[in-house]
Amino acid sequence: GESVGLHLPTLSVQEGDNSIINCAYSNSASDYFIWYKQESGKGPQFIIDIRSNMDKRQGQRVTVLLNKTVKHLSLQIAATQPGDSAVYFCAENTGSWGKLQFGAGTQVVVTP
Amino acid sequence: EPEVTQTPSHQVTQMGQEVILRCVPISNHLYFYWYRQILGQKVEFLVSFYNNEISEKSEIFDDQFSVERPDGSNFTLKIRSTKLEDSAMYFCASTRTGVNYGYTFGSGTRLTVV
Repeated sequence: GESVGLHLPTLSVQEGDNSIINCAYSNSASDYFIWYKQESGKGPQFIIDIRSNMDKRQGQRVTVLLNKTVKHLSLQIAATQPGDSAVYFCAENTGSWGKLQFGAGTQVVVTP
Repeated sequence: EPEVTQTPSHQVTQMGQEVILRCVPISNHLYFYWYRQILGQKVEFLVSFYNNEISEKSEIFDDQFSVERPDGSNFTLKIRSTKLEDSAMYFCASTRTGVNYGYTFGSGTRLTVV
């Protein structure tokens, strides 16, 4: 069912360390996944995407892993920086018209 | 870099009043979307729009909601009679060829219903 809550899971990371953010998606038919970063008062900002025919994709300092068997997605951020502090959402494409279904989000806090 | 522009950034309205939220999608994009985010919760899909008609909508998008592309550049969301529970951030998004290319969100309009 729907997860509703006022408190996001929080990941506290020391500057320079690697971060791993996890996401469980719901629809086994989803064929495309996106990770978004959202800073306070702003809209979701694209980070990286992956198609369902892949299990790994790398970008600049970020890697997305997809495990379709257990419907799990993860985002790895290398050498986390203070500017990485934000809420991170995974989203899955669940329809033919580009509808995105978002996960609950994870708050990443980078400490010096 | 092309942007999706939303106005106003913050709108306060009285319960029962009509509001129109405005969006200017990226100029060569063909698919348009509205999402909302209640404070502290996840982003929720409202509606998708293509070729001047609604292509998909969620359960949230009831008869109180409507969308329009009145000219070649604007994309609007109208709420006819606002309720307290409509208070949220509303995000517009657009894409060129569907979700796989350049899916871009605006910065949102914070709607507060009092």
